[in-house]
Order: sequence, then C-alpha cells, then structure tokens
Amino acid sequence: DSGVTQTPKHLITATGQRVTLRCSPRSGDLSVYWYQQSLDQGLQFLIQYYNGEERAKGNILERFSAQQFPDLHSELNLSSLELGDSALYFCASSVGQGASNQPQHFGDGTRLSIL
Amino acid sequence: AQSVAQPEDQVNVAEGNPLTVKCTYSVSGNPYLFWYVQYPNRGLQFLLKYITGDNLVKGSYGFEAEFNKSQTSFHLKKPSALVSDSALYFCAVREGAGGTSYGKLTFGQGTILTVHP
Repeated sequence: DSGVTQTPKHLITATGQRVTLRCSPRSGDLSVYWYQQSLDQGLQFLIQYYNGEERAKGNILERFSAQQFPDLHSELNLSSLELGDSALYFCASSVGQGASNQPQHFGDGTRLSIL
Repeated sequence: AQSVAQPEDQVNVAEGNPLTVKCTYSVSGNPYLFWYVQYPNRGLQFLLKYITGDNLVKGSYGFEAEFNKSQTSFHLKKPSALVSDSALYFCAVREGAGGTSYGKLTFGQGTILTVHP
C-alpha cells in the first residue's frame, strides 16, 4: 500500500460530461502529481501541485483542470469529455517540490471509460 | 526535453535465470533515474533509484540497476528471476538538482516481463 488514495476506482460516463477525480496524498507529502496512462500515449505527466500552488504543467488539455486544497488533497476535473479521454488516471505524491531525489508514490488510479 | 526509451516491448525469461530490462535516457544535466513496476489493475510501485554515487544501485525484491553515463543507460537486472516478477516495468527520468522541470517524471513506454516456470 503506497498510502496514496484515489477515488473513485472506476468511472463510466458519456461524451460531453464532466467528472472529478480525487486524490489524497501520503501523510506528510506536499506535492501531488497527475498522470494519464493510455494504450496509445503511454504514461504522460499532466500537472503538479505543491502545497496548494501549481508547480509544473505537462500535456494537460484545456478541458482539464486541477487544484490542491489546504488539506493537501487534490482534484482533477475533466470536462466536455471525449472518447479519447478514456484512460487510467494516476495520482502520485512526494515529500518535496519534486526537485529532490525522493521518489513519487502512486495511487492505484481511476479508470475512466467514456461511452 | 527529457526522454526515455525502453527498446523491448516484451522480455521473456525462464524462472531461475538472470533477467535484464533495458532503458536509455536523454536529459539535460545530471539525471535522476527510477524504475517502477506495475501489476494488473494496480498503480506503479517504486523499485529503485539512481541519484548519484555508486553506479550499481540495489532496490526492492532483489532487483538492481546499473547506471552507465557514457551509454546513457540504466538497465534493470535481477540475478535469478521468479514467476512472481512477471509484470510491466517502467523506467523514468527526471532532471537533477537545478533543473527547471521540478518533479516531472518522463516514462518509457514500458516492458512486459514474463517469467516462465
């Protein structure tokens, strides 16, 4: 058990809809990262937050947004969903801002299926 | 930009034999290198990391990895494979200290390791 909790485990919805994925980091970790895993794109970094502030941005679509709350949990919001958004979304956390040598610890992911 | 290549989509090995999963990388400056393993319907589990120092690093479950700066490689190894090692393995790279990409990890495409009884 990595200590990173993601909910829900599975999400099935339709095109055009909006969903929210939730992540609770390991106790003591201040950074949260979001990744998308799909068959065609592999594992792609989306965005990082550190102690409530955005720190780095990757290949995140404008339809997607994220935030980190004062209690350090994070939410990834996906809107105007398309079939191609079907993927496994992972959250990871680490102690520092990310430039340290500490590894990121991953949750079990949320599997999003768009029908 | 940083990148990782895992040249083999699949590696097959017999139980008890040594295994190697290959990884090459490209990054500005000194690299921080990681190996993760993913079992079906699970998240990625951290196996080991190279930050600096000894080129041979040891990790969880008997795995080790060899860092080679001149070849920009970080191959994962295990002296004696187990059937339970069968899983999807990812190599990842991050810029070292002083880099501007913060915690962004760039992953390879993954290698499926199958260990036959």
